[in-house]
Amino acid sequence: DAGITQSPRHKVTETGTPVTLRCHQTENHRYMYWYRQDPGHGLRLIHYSYGVKDTDKGEVSDGYSVSRSKTEDFLLTLESATSSQTSVYFCAISENKGGIGQPQHFGDGTRLSIL
Amino acid sequence: GQQVMQIPQYQHVQEGEDFTTYCNSSTTLSNIQWYKQRPGGHPVFLIQLVKSGEVKKQKRLTFQFGEAKKNSSLHITATQTTDVGTYFCAGPLGSSYKLIFGSGTRLLVRP
Repeated sequence: DAGITQSPRHKVTETGTPVTLRCHQTENHRYMYWYRQDPGHGLRLIHYSYGVKDTDKGEVSDGYSVSRSKTEDFLLTLESATSSQTSVYFCAISENKGGIGQPQHFGDGTRLSIL
Repeated sequence: GQQVMQIPQYQHVQEGEDFTTYCNSSTTLSNIQWYKQRPGGHPVFLIQLVKSGEVKKQKRLTFQFGEAKKNSSLHITATQTTDVGTYFCAGPLGSSYKLIFGSGTRLLVRP
């Protein structure tokens, strides 16, 4: 498996609290992504990054922010967590060679519960 | 907007039976990818198809990319319990490096 580490793996928190999820890669890949996975919705892109300090919104970005200060780290922050953000969050990476839409490699995921 | 649809949503088979999942895109794709996610696990990249009409095999799995590059299929011959999981197809979103994923087909195998 690709060198991707997500932390924490599990977290339970209360509504209204800020939450930060971390994705760390050792592959030196340019592109990094945050997805959430919910029953019936498959994988939905939250935010993505195409380089250090270069990020953009995905299809479900409301209530989330991201930062990438180093190639290897991509942080996802829930500014004020809500119960609707209870989900499994996956980080993914892909290379910048070989053309568009290259295969992505996923981390083990973070299971987040907001009470 | 661009959509990728998969059918069926679920398939429950007896071990040894064959299984097929279909993927259909609303737009022509430059490539199509397939991923497998075991229960409780993360999606794992299986294969990428690039050419029109391309067929690739991985042991009991056969992947096909349609002539119009808008559809694809994954066929598993003689399923085993180790094949259990959800199979996703994915294609590039427009001309970007982002992917759009199908909703997946969940395969259950009765031993």
